[in-house]
Amino acid sequence: EIVLTQSPGTLSLSPGERVTLSCRASQSVSSSYLAWYQQKPGQAPRLLIYGASSRATGIPDRFSGSGSGTDFTLTISRLEPEDFAVYYCQQYGSSPPLTFGGGTKVEIK
Amino acid sequence: QVQLQESGPGLVKPSDTLSLTCTVSGGSVSSGSYYWSWIRQPPGKGLEWIGYIYYSGSTNYNPSLMSRVTISVDTSKNQFSLKLSSVTAADTAVYYCARVPRGVYFDYWGQGTLVTVSS
Repeated sequence: EIVLTQSPGTLSLSPGERVTLSCRASQSVSSSYLAWYQQKPGQAPRLLIYGASSRATGIPDRFSGSGSGTDFTLTISRLEPEDFAVYYCQQYGSSPPLTFGGGTKVEIK
Repeated sequence: QVQLQESGPGLVKPSDTLSLTCTVSGGSVSSGSYYWSWIRQPPGKGLEWIGYIYYSGSTNYNPSLMSRVTISVDTSKNQFSLKLSSVTAADTAVYYCARVPRGVYFDYWGQGTLVTVSS
């Protein structure tokens, strides 16, 4: 099983700041198979990035993804008030084929 | 616009079987491009993939739940369903259904439904 570790657990930031979220895999993950989601309280997760770096439909270009192998990053270039949420990475691979990281909470400082 | 909607009992007794249905609109479960999945999230915790199904009926389950899970599809009703047997309090969670392009990531999600396991 591929384990995804997200760090840090919580980030306290101010609107306008740049944020970088980390997702580290216990084994190499194909870049085609790494996705990022945003979840706000009481809502379902929303797909932000798939294929490590492709933005999903309707996602603002302040969100970007990068990385390969075991290290992946989600960057928000300039935090907007609506970006304060929990972010999850997810990979497709070996059994079980779909796993999520534990999440990083981005909170208002 | 694809929409998914979960339905089913919000309260299940310990040792009983949890049963949920996901109704898909704006798209077809018979589309060969997608798998259809269930994911759950215990209160205050992270996401756990339960399993998915292809329109042909082919399934893949999380090994941690495999012995208790059955996912089925009804193409005539454009629905897919989840059954989780022998539930305990640890199965209390918000259950989501989602569409899975090529079985790789989740692009459309239902709003989720809270299922509580309690006597």
